[in-house]
Amino acid sequence: AQSVAQPEDQVNVAEGNPLTVKCTYSVSGNPYLFWYVQYPNRGLQFLLKYITGDNLVKGSYGFEAEFNKSQTSFHLKKPSALVSDSALYFCAVRAHNYGQNFVFGPGTRLSVLP
Amino acid sequence: DTAVSQTPKYLVTQMGNDKSIKCEQNLGHDTMYWYKQDSKKFLKIMFSYNNKELIINETVPNRFSPKSPDKAHLNLHINSLELGDSAVYFCASSQVDPGTGSNEQFFGPGTRLTVL
Repeated sequence: AQSVAQPEDQVNVAEGNPLTVKCTYSVSGNPYLFWYVQYPNRGLQFLLKYITGDNLVKGSYGFEAEFNKSQTSFHLKKPSALVSDSALYFCAVRAHNYGQNFVFGPGTRLSVLP
Repeated sequence: DTAVSQTPKYLVTQMGNDKSIKCEQNLGHDTMYWYKQDSKKFLKIMFSYNNKELIINETVPNRFSPKSPDKAHLNLHINSLELGDSAVYFCASSQVDPGTGSNEQFFGPGTRLTVL
């Protein structure tokens, strides 16, 4: 079975500071890992994904994420947070051999304070 | 141009009614999905569907049924609506990259369903 955990319901960070949103996963086999962002009253928007290869992946809006196989983690990071980054962030996983279905984490609400 | 669109954006109805939500994607993707997002923002997959296979989440009541008139559309029909069906429903689509086997999803704007 696949599962995703986002241990923090809420992350607060000051504008200009680095931010991290945590994600750990459990799958059988190799994972595809994704981060999505949801702004209020909007659908989810794709940020970045890990498929294979380089553990550090870069995505939209200056976000990046680091895949750590030993810790089964895929934390989302940004060097300098913007107030406009405030949103709900979802981590998702799909096993390479598990058809088309994704499992999403519970979401982490990021608040960037001016 | 909107990649994944849903109608209606808001749907308010009485218990026991039957309703449908429409979804269209113009991305040429081969797989479409329906998700339910509850009041706590938990996102749960309901169905995934391509022209070969319908995968149903076993926890979804059989009052919910996907209907796909063609590859670009996946509508969600709900019979005998219940109070607990109130949620935001998202349609999404994806296309498997043949080189990597991966696929990110593109989401519609959501339909907020309120059952009174």
